[in-house]
Amino acid sequence: DAGVIQSPRHEVTEMGQEVTLRCKPISGHNSLFWYRQTMMRGLELLIYFNNNVPIDDSGMPEDRFSAKMPNASFSTLKIQPSEPRDSAVYFCASSPSGGAVYEQYFGPGTRLTVT
Amino acid sequence: RKEVEQDPGPFNVPEGATVAFNCTYSNSASQSFFWYRQDCRKEPKLLMSVYSSGNEDGRFTAQLNRASQYISLLIRDSKLSDSATYLCVVTRSGGYNKLIFGAGTRLAVHP
Repeated sequence: DAGVIQSPRHEVTEMGQEVTLRCKPISGHNSLFWYRQTMMRGLELLIYFNNNVPIDDSGMPEDRFSAKMPNASFSTLKIQPSEPRDSAVYFCASSPSGGAVYEQYFGPGTRLTVT
Repeated sequence: RKEVEQDPGPFNVPEGATVAFNCTYSNSASQSFFWYRQDCRKEPKLLMSVYSSGNEDGRFTAQLNRASQYISLLIRDSKLSDSATYLCVVTRSGGYNKLIFGAGTRLAVHP
């Protein structure tokens, strides 16, 4: 079975450019999470969707970040404009349930470098 | 103070050694506890859940002390393949069980 799929796997862009990260969750999972991982701050939750609806976006750093989930099989995380401090690994994870004890399945991540 | 604190390591141990990792959490309302494993440049994966009664999965034993807000992971008979970063994870209640990740403890097992 396919796990969580993320694209691109690597992205190098210049400061000020728009970056769009993509995620396809595991089929049947109704919860989707976007995380950011850096050496300094570790793994941080950016936003959580349940049944395609954003439930918790308190981790979104600022207005430059936006996330959408137009349907159950696709989500995007957009950074506009990008800054060097956005350089990190961005993980998408999905789960069959968001309200109970559960396991989150992570995608392979997108390694973003902003120069 | 971070909500989940771990010794960053690295722990350098020979094959066959027993190694223990500790983790403390600050939110007494945390309800569920896990250990995740993350290999270098890979995604985190669930290793095991942690229960108050303690639980074992092969060479791995996890313990929880709610009174001390302390979680541990014991690895017996270390293998080279155990080399990874081990993330302590707790849930923060409030509408949904949000996972809060520790910064991780790095383990390097050498021949």
